[in-house]
Amino acid sequence: AQSVSQHNHHVILSEAASLELGCNYSYGGTVNLFWYVQYPGQHLQLLLKYFSGDPLVKGIKGFEAEFIKSKFSFNLRKPSVQWSDTAEYFCAVNGGYNKLIFGAGTRLAVHP
Amino acid sequence: NAGVTQTPKFQVLKTGQSMTLQCAQDMNHNSMYWYRQDPGMGLRLIYYSASEGTTDKGEVPNGYNVSRLNKREFSLRLESAAPSQTSVYFCASSDTGEWMNEQFFGPGTRLTVL
Repeated sequence: AQSVSQHNHHVILSEAASLELGCNYSYGGTVNLFWYVQYPGQHLQLLLKYFSGDPLVKGIKGFEAEFIKSKFSFNLRKPSVQWSDTAEYFCAVNGGYNKLIFGAGTRLAVHP
Repeated sequence: NAGVTQTPKFQVLKTGQSMTLQCAQDMNHNSMYWYRQDPGMGLRLIYYSASEGTTDKGEVPNGYNVSRLNKREFSLRLESAAPSQTSVYFCASSDTGEWMNEQFFGPGTRLTVL
């Protein structure tokens, strides 16, 4: 069965620090990969997605992620975080036709 | 476009009571989904509907039933609520094709079962 592992459950950073959130998945075939963000009190929104092509994908709000097939990884990065990036971040992989498998999430707190 | 809407936003039930969570989308999507979100566990798929007239179990279907009323609406029913069903419930929809497309989420229903 497919699974998604997010290594960091809680991350605390100061503004302007760099961010990298880890995501590993288990699946041997072709994958579609996603990062979603959930701001406090809001619903999930798509940050970025990878379907094929360039393994470095850029999303909204300055986020990017790199798909490394050999490592089964899809880590999320941002060079300089802002207080407004405080949220919970979820990595997800397609789990067969029309199904997403989500990781447990990483709570990011950015201090001014 | 309202996107994906859910009602109610909050609900408190007593053990054994029943209720239906409503979800509707106005994006003409074929597929719809129900998830529950629990702390430290991410989102887990309860049921999904790949297209109008079809429904399938997800990862945690026990204690729930669903109805795909039409292309727009997908409801989730708890026949006899249990405290273990205290959670935040999200509905989502997506367009379909050979590969998974982006899912669009509703605002969620926070359910407490006493």
